[in-house]
Amino acid sequence: GQQVMQIPQYQHVQEGEDFTTYCNSSTTLSNIQWYKQRPGGHPVFLIQLVKSGEVKKQKRLTFQFGEAKKNSSLHITATQTTDVGTYFCAGPHRGSTLGRLYFGRGTQLTVWP
Amino acid sequence: NAGVTQTPKFRVLKTGQSMTLLCAQDMNHEYMYWYRQDPGMGLRLIHYSVGEGTTAKGEVPDGYNVSRLKKQNFLLGLESAAPSQTSVYFCASRTRTAILVYTDTQYFGPGTRLTVL
Repeated sequence: GQQVMQIPQYQHVQEGEDFTTYCNSSTTLSNIQWYKQRPGGHPVFLIQLVKSGEVKKQKRLTFQFGEAKKNSSLHITATQTTDVGTYFCAGPHRGSTLGRLYFGRGTQLTVWP
Repeated sequence: NAGVTQTPKFRVLKTGQSMTLLCAQDMNHEYMYWYRQDPGMGLRLIHYSVGEGTTAKGEVPDGYNVSRLKKQNFLLGLESAAPSQTSVYFCASRTRTAILVYTDTQYFGPGTRLTVL
């Protein structure tokens, strides 16, 4: 069945180090979304990528969508303590127009000061 | 504009008890979803609705029922709670109309933390 896999599950970094999380789908995706969940909070939308090979930046965050539209990555440059949280990728359910998303299991980022 | 709200925020149940979780959104969204989140498991879809009076099963529907009598509300019911239903429950909503290309963004509520003893 359709799956969205995300690695690593956990990442511990020292403040100032870089961080990357990877997302892979078993099927081609029409688009991919990234969400961030702070500890004790709820998922909040960060960005959506649609085009093959697309790269988008939000300050220190860089999002990429693979050429085959089956993988994506989120890279944070020079992490800060405010980056702590769990980052999820999500891809739409194949063939569905009902807005269903498959979420990866997330990467939990811890940043040591 | 409160967005998506959920009540209650916390609840403790005994095995076999029933309860209803309420989700409300004031964004006039057509689509609404119920997810559960367990450690290391990400977000799993329980049920969803594409409009008033319609509901459908997601990935993990067993043990839950839902109703969407009003467009702004989506209720999740547990008829006979089990310890396996201890989880954090999130409601989300989404617009159907694509004002911009690909507006699949889901807006989440703050969650309900449920413990079943």
